[in-house]
Amino acid sequence: GEDVEQSLFLSVREGDSSVINCTYTDSSSTYLYWYKQEPGAGLQLLTYIFSNMDMKQDQRLTVLLNKKDKHLSLRIADTQTGDSAIYFCAETSYSSASKIIFGSGTRLSIRP
Amino acid sequence: DGGITQSPKYLFRKEGQNVTLSCEQNLNHDAMYWYRQDPGQGLRLIYYSQIVNDFQKGDIAEGYSVSREKKESFPLTVTSAQKNPTAFYLCASSTLAGETGELFFGEGSRLTVL
Repeated sequence: GEDVEQSLFLSVREGDSSVINCTYTDSSSTYLYWYKQEPGAGLQLLTYIFSNMDMKQDQRLTVLLNKKDKHLSLRIADTQTGDSAIYFCAETSYSSASKIIFGSGTRLSIRP
Repeated sequence: DGGITQSPKYLFRKEGQNVTLSCEQNLNHDAMYWYRQDPGQGLRLIYYSQIVNDFQKGDIAEGYSVSREKKESFPLTVTSAQKNPTAFYLCASSTLAGETGELFFGEGSRLTVL
């Protein structure tokens, strides 16, 4: 089946940029997503990108998509303590019957 | 406010008991989903339903059962056949008419088997 992979941990200093990376295998992906999960809570959609785009910017968030390499990244500028969370990469496609496939999540921790 | 409500937030169960987790949404969404979350494993799909009185197995349906008698409700039963039920369970919903397929999640239910 299709797979989404991401590293489990990332630690950055407060005020620096965070870059969370993700790779996926489905060549027919339509939408790719970044969800955020705070401790003990559900997931919230942060941003998404359509597969025919290569970049999307939304305030401090920048999403880059390299469709050839099936690589997605999320950059958070000026990382703050409130950005501490688990970030999930996810994708959907017509071949997966519109089911959303999630990665394992990257836990972002912020150092003072 | 519209949203998804899961209950209970915490639940303890003895081995051999069935438990039912509640999920209710007032977003008028057609589709509802149950995911299981284990540390370092991300979210795995248990069951999903796109219409009332119909549902499909996800990737890890064994030991679980669901019903969809009303559009707003999608309860999950964790049966005694589930060998390792301790986990965080997340319910989600989406509108099939939406362009992006965004999922809206509840706050989760943490089940611990004693």
